Amino acid sequence: SQKIEQNSEALNIQEGKTATLTCNYTNYSPAYLQWYRQDPGRGPVFLLLIRENEKEKRKERLKVTFDTTLKQSLFHITASQPADSATYLCALSNTGRRALTFGSGTRLQVQP
Amino acid sequence: EAGVAQSPRYKIIEKRQSVAFWCNPISGHATLYWYQQILGQGPKLLIQFQNNGVVDDSQLPKDRFSAERLKGVDSTLKIQPAKLEDSAVYLCASSLLQGPSTDTQYFGPGTRLTVL
Repeated sequence: SQKIEQNSEALNIQEGKTATLTCNYTNYSPAYLQWYRQDPGRGPVFLLLIRENEKEKRKERLKVTFDTTLKQSLFHITASQPADSATYLCALSNTGRRALTFGSGTRLQVQP
Repeated sequence: EAGVAQSPRYKIIEKRQSVAFWCNPISGHATLYWYQQILGQGPKLLIQFQNNGVVDDSQLPKDRFSAERLKGVDSTLKIQPAKLEDSAVYLCASSLLQGPSTDTQYFGPGTRLTVL
């Protein structure tokens, strides 16, 4: 069955450092991979989308890579700030099935 | 632009009782989704509507869950009867376009259900 794995342990980093979150998947060939941010008590908020034929995507301090051979995506936040503290969710979709399949998320804590 | 609205925000019921959740998507969004998010897990799709038709309900426990989207706008999700394992946050999301998988989904704040 399809499986999406994100590090279940919280990631704690110091303000100003780069945070790197990992999303691994098995038994899936996604056409698209998305990253969402979720704050406590709120719904997920879309951050970035990357297509299977793209290696890297950037938006301001965010960078996503997508390696379909390794079946892995890396999500980077450079110059991290305490306001970046949240849970980050990886989500996959295909052209046929438009609904998203989410990972369980990784909680990021940025210490001032 | 107003976001996705959901109500109620919180609900506590006894097992075997019934409960209904309401969602008002962003105006003009054709596609509406209901997700279930259990504590510590990512959202799991329950049902997807395109206008007022069902596109995907393969993961909806149809013996107890039902959903409708009248007139292709608002939607309600019902659980009857509720079980303890239904305790979760129920998220509604909507997206503008009918076709592309790249269509961004916009989520509401969710309804937190506790079944005792």
